Amino acid sequence: AQRVTQPEKLLSVFKGAPVELKCNYSYSGSPELFWYVQYSRQRLQLLLRHISRESIKGFTADLNKGETSFHLKKPFAQEEDSAMYYCAPLSGGYNKLIFGAGTRLAVHP
Amino acid sequence: NAGVTQTPKFQVLKTGQSMTLQCAQDMNHEYMSWYRQDPGMGLRLIHYSVGAGITDQGEVPNGYNVSRSTTEDFPLRLLSAAPSQTSVYFCASSYSGTSGSDEQYFGPGTRLTVT
Repeated sequence: AQRVTQPEKLLSVFKGAPVELKCNYSYSGSPELFWYVQYSRQRLQLLLRHISRESIKGFTADLNKGETSFHLKKPFAQEEDSAMYYCAPLSGGYNKLIFGAGTRLAVHP
Repeated sequence: NAGVTQTPKFQVLKTGQSMTLQCAQDMNHEYMSWYRQDPGMGLRLIHYSVGAGITDQGEVPNGYNVSRSTTEDFPLRLLSAAPSQTSVYFCASSYSGTSGSDEQYFGPGTRLTVT
């Protein structure tokens, strides 16, 4: 079965520190992958998608097919980055997203 | 645009009761889906629809029914609630069901407790 793993439930860092939220997937071929974020008292929303190769709010994510990973990185964390982050590959066609368990990022002043 | 709306925001049911969670979107999106969110498990897909009149099962469909009679609405029905269905339910929509890179827009969620 296709799976996505986010090994860290909680990642706690200080403001200005680098951040890496890990995501590993078990899909064959060339999956499409996304990172979604849920800030406190807000809706789940798209952060970035690998196909766009974009940087959003300073975050980037590189697809590593050899390691089957799609880690989310930011060089200098800000307090407003504190949120729940979900890695989500597409599964089996259509627009079906399969979500990882999520990583809570806590950025302390 | 209101985006994706869900009602109710909170609901408490007794075991065996039935109810319908409402979801509507005003963006003319083809694709709509329902997820449940449980601690430590992320979001799991219950049912989805790629257009009016077309629905299919996701990862965890048992105990839930859906229908899609209009493009705008995608209600989720619990036929006989069980404590295992205590969860937060999210509805989502995207422009196309077949274009994989479409952004999905989420509703605010419905927190359901079954006693």
